[in-house]
Amino acid sequence: QVQLQESGPGLVKPSETLSLTCTVSSGSIGTYYWSWIRQSPGKGLEWIGYVYYSGSTDYNPSLKSRVTIALATSKNQFSLRLTSVTTADTAVYYCARGGGYVVFDYWGQGTPVTVSS
Amino acid sequence: EIVMTQSPATLSVSPGERATLSCRASQSVGGNLAWYQQKPGQAPRLLIYGSSTRASGIPARFSGSGSGTEFTLTISSLQSEDFAVYYCQQYDNWLPTFGGGTKVEIK
Repeated sequence: QVQLQESGPGLVKPSETLSLTCTVSSGSIGTYYWSWIRQSPGKGLEWIGYVYYSGSTDYNPSLKSRVTIALATSKNQFSLRLTSVTTADTAVYYCARGGGYVVFDYWGQGTPVTVSS
Repeated sequence: EIVMTQSPATLSVSPGERATLSCRASQSVGGNLAWYQQKPGQAPRLLIYGSSTRASGIPARFSGSGSGTEFTLTISSLQSEDFAVYYCQQYDNWLPTFGGGTKVEIK
């Protein structure tokens, strides 16, 4: 059973960079897509982007200018960087396996991130 | 972007009764539709993919149907653990999108 666990700061100041890491256990990065998804009361579930096992990425156009998702295969991890955050980026952030025309079959428990000074 | 619309927003059902949830896509997504269940404080859990295929470990009381733009999730006999929020999601397009959710509550 694949398990995913998000980690990172729960509080980020406006205009700064949000950085999260997802650790994949009981399985490897393998030949899969790995995504970040966020959930806020105002916007529901929103796909942020994915990284493929090859390292290729794709992002939601609404966030593309501010997002970077990267793989650290040797550590069985992938990461999210979101720059220039505002209060609108306050949400629960999930990492998940899937994306790229594939369903999200495994999810992390989610980590809440608040953007506030 | 394909917009997913779920109805109703809230469904009040008694335990043991049948629940029928709807999901509509703004354009055809073929059969590339998934359903997820989310309980408070938890991540969404995959229930159905390919419009009608149950994910591993999902009870047979959950069934999905539909194609194109109209989809349905049916829970044949609601159990106490089924009261939750349900989301549909299309993965036919490179940009996956989710519906706004249907909350199934105890009547």
